[in-house]
Parts: sequence; structure tokens; C-alpha cells
Amino acid sequence: DQQVKQNSPSLSVQEGRISILNCDYTNSMFDYFLWYKKYPAEGPTFLISISSIKDKNEDGRFTVFLNKSAKHLSLHIVPSQPGDSAVYFCAAQTNQFYFGTGTSLTVIP
Amino acid sequence: DAGVTQSPTHLIKTRGQHVTLRCSPISGHKSVSWYQQVLGQGPQFIFQYYEKEERGRGNFPDRFSARQFPNYSSELNVNALLLGDSALYLCASSLVGEEKLFFGSGTQLSVL
Repeated sequence: DQQVKQNSPSLSVQEGRISILNCDYTNSMFDYFLWYKKYPAEGPTFLISISSIKDKNEDGRFTVFLNKSAKHLSLHIVPSQPGDSAVYFCAAQTNQFYFGTGTSLTVIP
Repeated sequence: DAGVTQSPTHLIKTRGQHVTLRCSPISGHKSVSWYQQVLGQGPQFIFQYYEKEERGRGNFPDRFSARQFPNYSSELNVNALLLGDSALYLCASSLVGEEKLFFGSGTQLSVL
């Protein structure tokens, strides 16, 4: 039972353009959402988060949007840089964390 | 400051054997969680411990167990290994009550 879904396994974007990564969830009881970035041979690193009481959170080039009615979460990266190339996981929390399957982002120089 | 450290980094075992994975949290972090990441999937929650007590458990069989020590480090034990236990095992630490998890680099377990 996959409560958090990332339906795009991969995404390629030109350097300088916007990257949009999407995430859908099924459990309306989730109260916190996070995005993690993972490079090969490393553990996931925290990127940005948003509480369920908000609909937007911004941190530099990264913005997370939450649409509770659609149970949809998105991460915008503007402008995209080659160093952003990694696997991105969205995660949602109730009493535990549930992770999506990840989206592999490639930023082309 | 050191991040979350896990040992060993790689491990090869055969079916039926037992394995112990170790994790040291970031200094000051009292909560430790364990995750299993199978290739092509996201991390899946196994356990959470803080103050040496189990605070949460995911949908894993009783072959999986864990404990936390007075210094907040933790061990994950898996008995009677199956081929399907082959995965990256991630440890994460956090401040109690904080949502942000800090992950180690993981232990890659291969069961042959």
C-alpha cells in the first residue's frame, strides 16, 4: 500500500530552467511533508519541508507547494544547476515517515 | 561535528545467517530510526527508538529487532536472513519532536 507516490521515475532539464518534481499522497492525516535529495553511495539529505497548515514554503532556489485538496506536493527548483542532479524523494509524516519511490533528476549543462 | 555514522558499509551474508548493523547518531540527537531501501524503491520505515524504548515499528517480521543504548547509538538485528532482505539499510537520527531526519550513508547488505 503505497501512501506516497512519485509517478515520474526520471526527469531531464536544461541548466537554468525550472525543475518540477511531483508527489501524490493518499492519507489525509499526514501533517508534515519533506523533500530529500540522494546522491549515489550517500544517505538522503534533507532539502525542504512544509507543514500541512501551509501551502508554500521557499528556501533559496527551492520551493515546495502543497495542495491538500488534491493531495499533491511539488518541488520547484529555479534555476536548475548541474549539481542538482540526484534522486529526489518526497516523504510524508504521521506517526512515521512514508517515502515515495524517488525521481531521478538530470540537469543538462 | 560528525554526522550519522553506520557500520559496516557493506556486508555479504548467506541465507539463514544473522546480521547486526550499527548506528551512531549525531551528537545531541536522542531519536534513531531505521529504514530499508530496496533497489528502485524509497526508504521503508522499520523502527524508531528514543530514550532506549521502541516508539514505532513498521510492517516488518519479527526477524527484525533493534535496540538503543544509553549513549543513543543503536543496533539493528536481522535473524534468519532471506534473499529478499538484500537492501540498503539506512539509519537516521533526529532531535526528539523534530520532523527533520538526518541519514547516514547506509549499510549495503547482500544476502546470497
